[in-house]
Amino acid sequence: ELKVEQNPLFLSMQEGKNYTIYCNYSTTSDRLYWYRQDPGKSLESLFVLLSNGAVKQEGRLMASLDTKARLSTLHITAAVHDLSATYFCVNQFYFGTGTSLTVIP
Amino acid sequence: NAGVTQTPKFQVLKTGQSMTLQCAQDMNHEYMSWYRQDPGMGLRLIHYSVGAGITDQGEVPNGYNVSRSTTEDFPLRLLSAAPSQTSVYFCASSYSADRGYTFGSGTRLTVV
Repeated sequence: ELKVEQNPLFLSMQEGKNYTIYCNYSTTSDRLYWYRQDPGKSLESLFVLLSNGAVKQEGRLMASLDTKARLSTLHITAAVHDLSATYFCVNQFYFGTGTSLTVIP
Repeated sequence: NAGVTQTPKFQVLKTGQSMTLQCAQDMNHEYMSWYRQDPGMGLRLIHYSVGAGITDQGEVPNGYNVSRSTTEDFPLRLLSAAPSQTSVYFCASSYSADRGYTFGSGTRLTVV
């Protein structure tokens, strides 16, 4: 049983478009983290969400947490090429399989 | 601050050999952990520590040992390397569970 399920696994989107990555989790912990990883590189912490209804924004990325639905979303607004990377959601210490995002000019 | 420093960056081992992957952080973080990253599987927790002298197993601890004698260092020991341990290993540290983790640059290990 997957503890953390992300979808989609692969996402190709045009510059300027909006999209949402979904993360469902099944543990009893409501700590939710989002990380970014560039190819061949380490991971960078993006957001930490600790309570129901938490919303955090940084640039074109916005993350939210619904603990009742055990769902977190990462919303991308007006995508740019620099956002191309793999995004992971993490619940407790369980990682999702990642969403590989490619932004096409 | 150097952050989280992992050594070596690359290593090739023969089946049955042992080795230690080093991890050090200079941020006075209590929480440290080791992950392995395999293609298509995300990262999986091997072992973690919530402070000096305290360690616990994660999802995939078999074949690995850890110790935490100081706050700064958290080495990962492979007891008898197997090809299934070919992976990229990341060490991470955090001030607390309410903060994001800082990851090291990784060690790419190949077991032949």
